[in-house]
Amino acid sequence: EPEVTQTPSHQVTQMGQEVILRCVPISNHLYFYWYRQILGQKVEFLVSFYNNEISEKSEIFDDQFSVERPDGSNFTLKIRSTKLEDSAMYFCASSKGTQYFGPGTRLTVT
Amino acid sequence: AQRVTQPEKLLSVFKGAPVELKCNYSYSGSPELFWYVQYSRQRLQLLLRHISRESIKGFTADLNKGETSFHLKKPFAQEEDSAMYYCALTPNMDSNYQLIWGAGTKLIIKP
Repeated sequence: EPEVTQTPSHQVTQMGQEVILRCVPISNHLYFYWYRQILGQKVEFLVSFYNNEISEKSEIFDDQFSVERPDGSNFTLKIRSTKLEDSAMYFCASSKGTQYFGPGTRLTVT
Repeated sequence: AQRVTQPEKLLSVFKGAPVELKCNYSYSGSPELFWYVQYSRQRLQLLLRHISRESIKGFTADLNKGETSFHLKKPFAQEEDSAMYYCALTPNMDSNYQLIWGAGTKLIIKP
């Protein structure tokens, strides 16, 4: 059964550095998402992407964040200048009616 | 404001006992409700959604619009049911819209 994949599984970065989190959605899905979960807190929506553009974004998704689908298979989340409070588990999902999730990338900002 | 509330952070029951994980929501329209489960070291996966009215792994959930609840139930818990359970909704019956999540309930089934 096809699955959403994410790389890396764990990323450690220094405050102020740029990070790119990568996701490969399920191939025939049309909608793509990023969510995050800070340790001990709720899963929070960041952004959704459809037809090569952002369809929705939350207040969390400020100018420090961007998403791309550069090659028709990968879906990336870039954080330009990481802050300590960006430390979280980041989940990618894709959907064709039901959202399927990747295993997550644990981002640790030091 | 749209909100999903799971009042129990932790629920511990004995194997074979009934389980009920509570979920309440606040939303003025017609949301679609979901239960997602995350087993240890695994990804979030859909357990069930209210429009399908299925029973998955013995779990059922009924949407009660009057009480704005979507409680998850199983009559006889099994040890393999131990996991984190998240209730979530999408507004306006559009399952491609963003999911709004509850805080999750950790279910522990004691042998």
